Amino acid sequence: SQQGEEDPQALSIQEGENATMNCSYKTSINNLQWYRQNSGRGLVHLILIRSNEREKHSGRLRVTLDTSKKSSSLLITASRAADTASYFCATVLTGGGNKLTFGTGTQLKVEL
Amino acid sequence: KAGVTQTPRYLIKTRGQQVTLSCSPISGHRSVSWYQQTPGQGLQFLFEYFSETQRNKGNFPGRFSGRQFSNSRSEMNVSTLELGDSALYLCASSQAGQGAQAFFGQGTRLTVV
Repeated sequence: SQQGEEDPQALSIQEGENATMNCSYKTSINNLQWYRQNSGRGLVHLILIRSNEREKHSGRLRVTLDTSKKSSSLLITASRAADTASYFCATVLTGGGNKLTFGTGTQLKVEL
Repeated sequence: KAGVTQTPRYLIKTRGQQVTLSCSPISGHRSVSWYQQTPGQGLQFLFEYFSETQRNKGNFPGRFSGRQFSNSRSEMNVSTLELGDSALYLCASSQAGQGAQAFFGQGTRLTVV
C-alpha cells in the first residue's frame, strides 16, 4: 500500500514558470526522498530530506518538510520542457532499511 | 561507474508460466530492492536484500520470491504467472545503511498473456 498522496495528480505549466507538488504521508519517517520518472522508465533520485531538516535546496529544486503536518513539497523553479515527467515522493521509516514507500505521483507537463 | 542493469528489458509470458528477472547493482552497493509498478497500484515495494539476506518484504503473495548472490547481484522470480502480474519491475541498489538514496535500473516490462 502507498504511504500517502500527492497533489496535484497532474500539473501543466508554461516553460519558465514554477511548479509545486505536495506530498502527504501517514507515519513517522526517517527521511523523505523525491524521484523523477520519464515515460515509464527507471526513477532518478532528486533530493533527500531527513526528518530533522525543514528545507533543502539542489539547483532549481527546493524541498520542504513539515513533520508535524506529515507533508512535504517540491518546488521546481524556472521550469523547462525537459522537466516534463512524473514526480514521486517516497518515505523511509525508521528501522525500515532502504525500503521506499511511494506516493501516488504528480504528472508534470511543461509546455513551450 | 556502471549503473544498475536489469535484464531482460522486455518479456512476454503466458499465464501459468514462471519468470526470472535479473538485476546487477552498482559496484559496492550491498542493498538491492525490487518494486512493481502498475497503472492501478502505482509503485509497490516487493522486497529488499542486503548481504544475501532478505531484510524487508512487501505484501505480495508467495509466488513472488527473490534472492541475492555473494556478488550482490539479485534475481526475482514469479511463479504461476497471472494476467495481473503484467507490470514494470524495477530494481534499485543502495549503499549499506538506513534510508540511503536509491539508484534505479531501467526496469523489466513484463507482459502476461
